[in-house]
Amino acid sequence: DAGVIQSPRHEVTEMGQEVTLRCKPISGHDYLFWYRQTMMRGLELLIYFNNNVPIDDSGMPEDRFSAKMPNASFSTLKIQPSEPRDSAVYFCASRSSGSSPLHFGNGTRLTVT
Amino acid sequence: TQLLEQSPQFLSIQEGENLTVYCNSSSVFSSLQWYRQEPGEGPVLLVTVVTGGEVKKLKRLTFQFGDARKDSSLHITAAQPGDTGLYLCAGATSNTGKLIFGQGTTLQVKP
Repeated sequence: DAGVIQSPRHEVTEMGQEVTLRCKPISGHDYLFWYRQTMMRGLELLIYFNNNVPIDDSGMPEDRFSAKMPNASFSTLKIQPSEPRDSAVYFCASRSSGSSPLHFGNGTRLTVT
Repeated sequence: TQLLEQSPQFLSIQEGENLTVYCNSSSVFSSLQWYRQEPGEGPVLLVTVVTGGEVKKLKRLTFQFGDARKDSSLHITAAQPGDTGLYLCAGATSNTGKLIFGQGTTLQVKP
């Protein structure tokens, strides 16, 4: 089991550019989560999916953020246009059921200049 | 809005000392999990507590879930430098799958 795989590990971009973060969950996991981690705000839930369907996107900061899960093995988080305040570490996590442990990827460190 | 408050935010102690980290909320949780995160990695689950008053032990770590299922604590006995890291509590209010995290406690154990 390769675990949750995120790419890229690091992303540096200029303000105004589009950024796409990618995630491959653990096979067989029905839930997929996107979190953002900063020193100031800690680990914030952005959105989560169950069986590829978005269930709760109330944590998505604004319309510049969008997430998709076209199939059970792939999800993207897109920021367009990016801003310096979007700089953070973005984590993807998956779990097999509503009460099982979350398995996190190693994150994507995004820096917007 | 469900909030989980952890305290302290930062803790620096000497090897061999004991410590307790607290996780408090005004919300009732169906379960509460504790995670540990090391630099450059994602959080890794340590334990899940489900029943009010439940106590679980993991070697030198003792986890307790409050009777009302609104709070939890993590106690480390005789801390080791290898215990250094960010400790996060996370609560679920139902079996919807949604987990809310506390701000975390950064622990540094000096040899």
